[in-house]
Amino acid sequence: IAGITQAPTSQILAAGRRMTLRCTQDMRHNAMYWYRQDLGLGLRLIHYSNTAGTTGKGEVPDGYSVSRANTDDFPLTLASAVPSQTSVYFCASSELAGGDTDTQYFGPGTRLTVL
Amino acid sequence: LAKTTQPISMDSYEGQEVNITCSHNNIATNDYITWYQQFPSQGPRFIIQGYKTKVTNEVASLFIPADRKSSTLSLPRVSLSDTAVYYCLVAPDSSYKLIFGSGTRLLVRP
Repeated sequence: IAGITQAPTSQILAAGRRMTLRCTQDMRHNAMYWYRQDLGLGLRLIHYSNTAGTTGKGEVPDGYSVSRANTDDFPLTLASAVPSQTSVYFCASSELAGGDTDTQYFGPGTRLTVL
Repeated sequence: LAKTTQPISMDSYEGQEVNITCSHNNIATNDYITWYQQFPSQGPRFIIQGYKTKVTNEVASLFIPADRKSSTLSLPRVSLSDTAVYYCLVAPDSSYKLIFGSGTRLLVRP
């Protein structure tokens, strides 16, 4: 079982270019999330999706968009990248089935550098 | 969401017990306390979650006093591989809005 996969592992991107970070989970989890983590800081939620077909904004959504066409995939798009979007991006998923054990499972991350 | 405060860093030696305390004075009645561990170049990993008193699993123990305004993650007999950042999170049951602070950077020395 792979869990969560992210692609690419790392990317260097010119400012102004469009970029889509891919995230796929094979756990049939209802909810998926995108976080960014900047050097020395904790993770900040960008966007989330509680179920296929729905998305919501997190703490830092500006400059990013997401879609959730099916249960497994949750791509994150930077329409026009800027240097401040240089970060490590983590995708996560959770069952979100209620109860006290809704654990988020994280992917390996994508290291993005915008020049 | 309740704000959490935890030490920026801690040092320990192999074989010692490490206790990391997190303050969450504004915890709400329906909030749970969850700890995640993050190794360098990896995503966070769930360690333990609790609501009150004590929870223990194969990795750690979580102690929560009656007033729930703080919690302590206890790692028994740490090894070098326990060097990581540990995050304390407080959120309602099944909340999707997890707030990761800066965490506690634990360094385990030989």
